Amino acid sequence: AQSVTQPDIHITVSEGASLELRCNYSYGATPYLFWYVQSPGQGLQLLLKYFSGDTLVQGIKGFEAEFKRSQSSFNLRKPSVHWSDAAEYFCAVGLGNTGGFKTIFGAGTRLFVKA
Amino acid sequence: EAGVTQFPSHSVIEKGQTVTLRCDPISGHDNLYWYRRVMGKEIKFLLHFVKESKQDESGMPNNRFLAERTGGTYSTLKVQPAELEDSGVYFCASSPRQGGTNEKLFFGSGTQLSVL
Repeated sequence: AQSVTQPDIHITVSEGASLELRCNYSYGATPYLFWYVQSPGQGLQLLLKYFSGDTLVQGIKGFEAEFKRSQSSFNLRKPSVHWSDAAEYFCAVGLGNTGGFKTIFGAGTRLFVKA
Repeated sequence: EAGVTQFPSHSVIEKGQTVTLRCDPISGHDNLYWYRRVMGKEIKFLLHFVKESKQDESGMPNNRFLAERTGGTYSTLKVQPAELEDSGVYFCASSPRQGGTNEKLFFGSGTQLSVL
């Protein structure tokens, strides 16, 4: 069965430090991969997505993610974290069929940023 | 442009009662999805509408849950009767195109349902 694993329930980093959030997926075909962010009181917002081509994708707010097929991973990175990045981050896989698709989410990683 | 709106933002009910959640997608979006997150776990797919038709309802937990999408516009999700394990955050999302695996979802801010 398709699944998405985010091994870190929460992570704390200092403001200005680099960040990497881990994501592993289980899917038999070429995956369509996403990272979403949820800030308090808000809906989920798409940060970036990978469909094909360059395995390093750039997103909004200075985030990037790298697809590594050999490791079934799609880790999210940011070189310098800002206090406003404190939120919950969800990795997801898009599963398609002729009628549409569904998105499978991981359990999320909550990011805390300390001054 | 208005985003996806959900109502109510919070609902507290007793076991056995009925609750109806509403989602207004972005105007013109054919696809509408319901998801649920229980107690810090993963966000789980419930069902998918394409316009007014149910495309995929494989994630609906049981027959206490009924989803409708009148005229292909807003959608409601009714839980009747509610049980304790139904507590969680119910998210609605919409997207503009039919089909395809690369669509961006636009999410509402969710309804926090607490069943006591």
